[in-house]
Amino acid sequence: KQEVTQIPAALSVPEGENLVLNCSFTDSAIYNLQWFRQDPGKGLTSLLLIQSSQREQTSGRLNASLDKSSGRSTLYIAASQPGDSATYLCAVDPFNDYKLSFGAGTTVTVRA
Amino acid sequence: DADVTQTPRNRITKTGKRIMLECSQTKGHDRMYWYRQDPGLGLRLIYYSFDVKDINKGEISDGYSVSRQAQAKFSLSLESAIPNQTALYFCATSDSRGPGETQYFGPGTRLLVL
Repeated sequence: KQEVTQIPAALSVPEGENLVLNCSFTDSAIYNLQWFRQDPGKGLTSLLLIQSSQREQTSGRLNASLDKSSGRSTLYIAASQPGDSATYLCAVDPFNDYKLSFGAGTTVTVRA
Repeated sequence: DADVTQTPRNRITKTGKRIMLECSQTKGHDRMYWYRQDPGLGLRLIYYSFDVKDINKGEISDGYSVSRQAQAKFSLSLESAIPNQTALYFCATSDSRGPGETQYFGPGTRLLVL
């Protein structure tokens, strides 16, 4: 059974600092990995999706890397802003069966 | 208007009651999912449907049932609610025709079972 872990559970940084969020998974046989953002009362929004053949994906200030062999992904958010305050979850798709396995998330607070 | 809507947004019920949570989508996606989220835990898959006639159990289907009334509608029922079903419930959709399938989530239904 795929286990997905996100450490730390919470993170507080001053505005402008770069954020580094970690995700680890136990089974390297994955189809893809996604990073989601969760805002209170608004559900989840997909930020980045990395296919198993890719090493990284970038969107604006966000960059996600994937190392399947070590079972790790990292989400980098450059020059953090108060609007980046949210919970970030990673999820893996265990080899294309569309049943995502989620981590518990990292709650980020960016202080102005 | 939101692409994925859930009703109700909040619900309080009593142990033993039957309740239904509804999900509608205007994205034209064929696949729909129900998840629950508990504090400190990731989302867990309850049921998923790849089309109207294809419904499958997820990781934690005991105590739940679903109905796919149309491509756009997917309902989750708790036959006899119990307190440990208190959670935040999410509906999601995805499009099997798209590359690198991502899922689109509704805003969630917060359920409290007394």
